[in-house]
Amino acid sequence: KNQVEQSPQSLIILEGKNCTLQCNYTVSPFSNLRWYKQDTGRGPVSLTIMTFSENTKSNGRYTATLDADTKQSSLHITASQLSDSASYICVVSANTNAGKSTFGDGTTLTVKP
Amino acid sequence: NAGVMQNPRHLVRRRGQEARLRCSPMKGHSHVYWYRQLPEEGLKFMVYLQKENIIDESGMPKERFSAEFPKEGPSILRIQQVVRGDSAAYFCASSPQNSGRSTEAFFGQGTRLTVV
Repeated sequence: KNQVEQSPQSLIILEGKNCTLQCNYTVSPFSNLRWYKQDTGRGPVSLTIMTFSENTKSNGRYTATLDADTKQSSLHITASQLSDSASYICVVSANTNAGKSTFGDGTTLTVKP
Repeated sequence: NAGVMQNPRHLVRRRGQEARLRCSPMKGHSHVYWYRQLPEEGLKFMVYLQKENIIDESGMPKERFSAEFPKEGPSILRIQQVVRGDSAAYFCASSPQNSGRSTEAFFGQGTRLTVV
């Protein structure tokens, strides 16, 4: 069964600090892995998308890594800001269609001043 | 190019009524996906449609729920005889014609259904 597990479930950090979110998956065959940011009451917004051949991708202060051998990904946030407070969702696709994918339950990040 | 548009943003229905949720995909996108997000939970896949076709409805409840994506107009998610457990946020996403392994899907802002 395809599964995506994220840790931690929730995280509180101080503004300006860095943090790393984890994603482990058992989806096979692997197609791509995406990280989304979902603000409260809003739809998810894509941060990064990585295919099998990519092991790191950055988007501003967000850097995602992928280890296809161990089936693990991480999302590193540098110099956190209050606006980073949101749910971060890891999504793994097992085919070439982006829509039917396996979603993690997300990590809720709270950045405090 | 407007993003994925969902309406209404908020919908209140009494138990037993019907709920109709609309999703207009991004211009040029012919693939539409619906997801449900219960309070404090993650997004769960419901159904994947292309124009006039249901491709995968493995996440749809067996009864009361249906979806369509007609040749003209938005995709509709229809919930008949709503119950309190249907209260959730329903998100729609769209993607362009499948063009490879990095196909991106873009989400709408969701419709928050409250059943009273």
